[in-house]
This record gives sequence, C-alpha cells and structure tokens, in this order.
Amino acid sequence: DQQVKQNSPSLSVQEGRISILNCDYTNSMFDYFLWYKKYPAEGPTFLISISSIKDKNEDGRFTVFLNKSAKHLSLHIVPSQPGDSAVYFCAANSGGSNYKLTFGKGTLLTVNP
Amino acid sequence: NAGVTQTPKFRVLKTGQSMTLLCAQDMNHEYMYWYRQDPGMGLRLIHYSVGEGTTAKGEVPDGYNVSRLKKQNFLLGLESAAPSQTSVYFCASGTIAGAYEQYFGPGTRLTVT
Repeated sequence: DQQVKQNSPSLSVQEGRISILNCDYTNSMFDYFLWYKKYPAEGPTFLISISSIKDKNEDGRFTVFLNKSAKHLSLHIVPSQPGDSAVYFCAANSGGSNYKLTFGKGTLLTVNP
Repeated sequence: NAGVTQTPKFRVLKTGQSMTLLCAQDMNHEYMYWYRQDPGMGLRLIHYSVGEGTTAKGEVPDGYNVSRLKKQNFLLGLESAAPSQTSVYFCASGTIAGAYEQYFGPGTRLTVT
C-alpha cells in the first residue's frame, strides 16, 4: 500500500525550461509535505516543504504547489539547470507528534544542456 | 559541524556474518532514523528513535536491531546478514524544534554475498 506515489520514474527537460515533478498521496491525514534531492553516492538533502494550510511555497527557482482536494503536489523548477539533474523524492508527514516521513519512490530528473 | 556521519562507507559481508553500522550527529537532534534504499523502492524506514534509550520499528525492521545509548549515536545491527539486505543504508536525524525535516548522512553501501 503505497501512500506517496511518484508515478514518473524519470523526466528529461532542456536547460532553461521548466521542470515539473509530480506526487500523489492517499492518506488524508498527511498535512506536511517535503521534497528532497539526491545526487548519486550522496544522501538526500532537503529542498523545500509545504504545510497543508498553504497551497504554494516558493524558494528561489523552486516552487511547490499543493492541491489538497486532489491529494496532489508538484515541484516546479524554473529555469532548470544541468546541476538540477538528480533524483527527487516527495515525502509526507501526518503532523503532530509523528516525526516519521513516508517517501515516494523518486523521480530521476535529467536536465540536458 | 559535520552534520550526520556514517561509518563505514562501504562493506562487503558474507551470508551469516554480522556487522554494526554507526550513525553520529552533532546537531543535538532528538530524533534519529535508519532507512534503506533499493532500486525502484525509494527510501524505506527500518527503525527510528525519538530519544536516547528509546527505539521503534519502522516499515521494514526484520533482520535488523538498533540501539541508541547516547543521544548523538544510533547504531544499526545485522545479526546474520542475508543477500536480501544488500542495499544502501541512510541514517537521518531530526529535531522537535524543526518542521519535520530530516537531515541525512552520506550512506553506507552494503553488499552481502
């Protein structure tokens, strides 16, 4: 039972264009969502997050959108750069005193020069 | 400030051998986690700890044991390694003062032959 789903295993975009990574969830108790970025042979690093009380959070080139009714979130990277090429994981938390994260399987983003 | 460190970085074991993976964090975080990452499976939680002296099972705990005798250290043990435990293991830490972000170590690549 996969509660956080990233249905696209990979995505390829041209440098300078927009990258859109998608994530769906099934657990309606999730109310905090995070994106992590992972380079090969390194640990995941936190990228950006959003609380369920918001529908958008922006940090530089990275914007996360949350659609609670659709149980869907997306990460937009504008403009995409070759250094953005990595695996991106979506993660969710149900808040309160629960400090566990549930991760999706990841999407490999390749940004072509 | 080293963040989260893991020892060793690589290890090859024969089936039936035992080993301990060490995770250390210098951020005074309350929470610590062990994950495994397998191709196409994302990050799966093995065990976690919400404080010194306390541990709990995650999603895939079988075949592993953990201990947290000191706040800064979280040990993952394999008593009798099996080929199915070939994986990349990541340790992470998080703080009660944070917004559910977890900070990851660089990983340990374990091969069981």
